[in-house]
Amino acid sequence: AQSVSQHNHHVILSEAASLELGCNYSYGGTVNLFWYVQYPGQHLQLLLKYFSGDPLVKGIKGFEAEFIKSKFSFNLRKPSVQWSDTAEYFCAVNARGNNRLAFGKGNQVVVIP
Amino acid sequence: SQTIHQWPATLVQPVGSPLSLECTVEGTSNPNLYWYRQAAGRGLQLLFYSIGIDQISSEVPQNLSASRPQDRQFILSSKKLLLSDSGFYLCAWSVWGGGNEQFFGPGTRLTVL
Repeated sequence: AQSVSQHNHHVILSEAASLELGCNYSYGGTVNLFWYVQYPGQHLQLLLKYFSGDPLVKGIKGFEAEFIKSKFSFNLRKPSVQWSDTAEYFCAVNARGNNRLAFGKGNQVVVIP
Repeated sequence: SQTIHQWPATLVQPVGSPLSLECTVEGTSNPNLYWYRQAAGRGLQLLFYSIGIDQISSEVPQNLSASRPQDRQFILSSKKLLLSDSGFYLCAWSVWGGGNEQFFGPGTRLTVL
């Protein structure tokens, strides 16, 4: 079964700082990769996803993630965060053809104005 | 467009009482349906998933059960709640077939006293 690791559960940044959240998974086969975001008081929503093709994926709100197969990683980045990026971010992995998503424990990101 | 509903939004129940949480999806047919529990700092734990009416897979042994009496209705139940059942319960759907992104409902906050 696949598992997902996210480190540094609590991240505090100032506006305009760069953000990088790490995500590592354990599964040897082909995977689909996702980052979800949960803003305070809102639904969990998809930020970006990788199924195949260009390993550098662009998402909403200026986020991007890079799939590095050799490192089993799918790190999320944003070059300059805003106060509105305060949220909890979850990495998720699903083995190709499997119905289940495995989620990491999440990163609580607080951006200070 | 597709929408997913959960109710109630919040629920406070005594230990030993029964539970019924409902999830319905609109605007799609034959979705995969999922129940998760979200705990702070622990990510999302998949509880049940369903690929069709009366087809339920349980992911973890627990005090809960799930049913899918109709194509777009997914119910999470318990005969007798435990204190440890307190948490935030999320329903999600995806297009039938493995590997697709999941879309989440607003969740139900359950407190067992």
